[in-house]
Amino acid sequence: AQTVTQSQPEMSVQEAETVTLSCTYDTSESDYYLFWYKQPPSRQMILVIRQEAYKQQNATENRFSVNFQKAAKSFSLKISDSQLGDAAMYFCAYQLNNDMRFGAGTRLTVKP
Amino acid sequence: KAGVTQTPRYLIKTRGQQVTLSCSPISGHRSVSWYQQTPGQGLQFLFEYFSETQRNKGNFPGRFSGRQFSNSRSEMNVSTLELGDSALYLCASTPGDRNTGELFFGEGSRLTVL
Repeated sequence: AQTVTQSQPEMSVQEAETVTLSCTYDTSESDYYLFWYKQPPSRQMILVIRQEAYKQQNATENRFSVNFQKAAKSFSLKISDSQLGDAAMYFCAYQLNNDMRFGAGTRLTVKP
Repeated sequence: KAGVTQTPRYLIKTRGQQVTLSCSPISGHRSVSWYQQTPGQGLQFLFEYFSETQRNKGNFPGRFSGRQFSNSRSEMNVSTLELGDSALYLCASTPGDRNTGELFFGEGSRLTVL
């Protein structure tokens, strides 16, 4: 079974600074998808960024980028120029076919 | 386009009771997944339905069940409630028959078992 591990239960960052959230996963497959989801205090989860495993290029969405290391099975999220609105729970997720599994989450605090 | 709608948003039950939660996916979405979210365990996958058929199932006891109707709306049922079933239950929908993209989540149903 696929497992997703987020080793940082909590992280904090100063506003305007950069923070990196870690994620590792375990799979024997070669073609899959990886995601970062954000859950603000209102609780509705939204997609932050997506990475297809067959693509070597790291995905980027504005201030959000990933460092995808396929051989190491690592998928970290970098948030640049952190804003107060970035404060949330962040979940790393692995998807194979129709099955998506999540890590335990990292709570990000942004200090003004 | 309306988002994923979950009802009820909050409910309180006592041990031994049963509960039914409802999820209406985004129009046109045919796949509905259910997750249990707790502070200690994070998001745990319950099951996924596509075209009225359960396609995937997580590692939960048989007290947890679900179904999907022809209009893609889904319900999940928990029987003989235990204190440990207190959680936020999230529903998510996706459009296609091969899910390679975003899950669209509802706001969740917060269940408290006393």
